[in-house]
Amino acid sequence: DTAVSQTPKYLVTQMGNDKSIKCEQNLGHDTMYWYKQDSKKFLKIMFSYNNKELIINETVPNRFSPKSPDKAHLNLHINSLELGDSAVYFCASSQGGGATEAFFGQGTRLTVV
Amino acid sequence: GDSVTQMEGPVTLSEEAFLTINCTYTATGYPSLFWYVQYPGEGLQLLLKATKADDKGSNKGFEATYRKETTSFHLEKGSVQVSDSAVYFCALRREGTYKYIFGTGTRLKVLA
Repeated sequence: DTAVSQTPKYLVTQMGNDKSIKCEQNLGHDTMYWYKQDSKKFLKIMFSYNNKELIINETVPNRFSPKSPDKAHLNLHINSLELGDSAVYFCASSQGGGATEAFFGQGTRLTVV
Repeated sequence: GDSVTQMEGPVTLSEEAFLTINCTYTATGYPSLFWYVQYPGEGLQLLLKATKADDKGSNKGFEATYRKETTSFHLEKGSVQVSDSAVYFCALRREGTYKYIFGTGTRLKVLA
């Protein structure tokens, strides 16, 4: 049973389109994250939610809007996609604000053409 | 701000060679430290962690010791295998913050 699952795994779309990525965790964690990994493998946090409340919004363009309907889900909607949005997007979850590790999903490879 | 610095890759080794990947960090207080591994086409998996100074994390033959005095958390393995070929990330998290800060990753290639 997958702990953190994302859908879809691959997403190819044209510039200007709107798309969503879904994430679900079955670990009972209270904190969820979105990370962006660029072509050089650099990982940068985008958002973190704790108990459905937005905690971190790391200077991400307004075209990106996360939504957490409950503690187990964190979705990412992207409006007006640009070429520079092409990357791998990872969802992750963890428990609490202490020394625990994060669990990552398999990633969604977004390609904007 | 907090940051993690890793050695540049790629690192290419022969099977059974000794591995060291350097990691140093900058953070206030006492962060928790992690090593993650990413195999091609997959997400990140926790390899090991340490939560306080002088702790040693270990897993699958890999080890790293939390050195507060040198702000380091170097990853070591005595004898690498071809199956260890992957990208390795060092990361930190400060207590009470809701983010993990990653280094740039180090690609390891092990040749048979």
